[in-house]
Amino acid sequence: DAGVIQSPRHEVTEMGQEVTLRCKPISGHNSLFWYRQTMMRGLELLIYFNNNVPIDDSGMPEDRFSAKMPNASFSTLKIQPSEPRDSAVYFCASSRAGGEYEQYFGPGTRLTVT
Amino acid sequence: AQSVSQHNHHVILSEAASLELGCNYSYGGTVNLFWYVQYPGQHLQLLLKYFSGDPLVKGIKGFEAEFIKSKFSFNLRKPSVQWSDTAEYFCAVNRRGSQGNLIFGKGTKLSVKP
Repeated sequence: DAGVIQSPRHEVTEMGQEVTLRCKPISGHNSLFWYRQTMMRGLELLIYFNNNVPIDDSGMPEDRFSAKMPNASFSTLKIQPSEPRDSAVYFCASSRAGGEYEQYFGPGTRLTVT
Repeated sequence: AQSVSQHNHHVILSEAASLELGCNYSYGGTVNLFWYVQYPGQHLQLLLKYFSGDPLVKGIKGFEAEFIKSKFSFNLRKPSVQWSDTAEYFCAVNRRGSQGNLIFGKGTKLSVKP
């Protein structure tokens, strides 16, 4: 199994530009999670999906952030417009549905907004 | 709301020293507990997990953790650390029967001196 795949691995963009992060979960996993990691705030859950349906987006910081999961094998996290304070590592994770299953993390996307 | 506290931000040890990292959670119900490790520049990987049964859980690479329900604690231990254990360690919890979203602690950075 290839594990969780994220792209791009690194993204550098200017303030005001649109950024789209992509994630392919492990095949057969029903749940998908988007996290943001910074030195100041640690690891924060942004949003998660079960069976492609958003369950809890209370962690999404602002309306500038949006996430979609059009099918079981693909999800995007979009930031429009981006700001320097969005600079962070964004992780996608997937798991089988249910709290007793571990989450498998992707390699992350390091986003730098200048 | 659920929360997870990790007592130490940064721990520095010499090789062969014993390790104990503290983790306390706040939730009165039944929980699932996890420890994840993040090696420098890498994504989070599961070290061990507890759902039920024996409160002493053994994980990979010689790590173990003990669930003490009365203390709401799930401390991570290793009798003898190696330089390769240098990493950041995250404790996480979710509610039994939940859809899988984890609450993470802020992490403890472990530096092992050779």
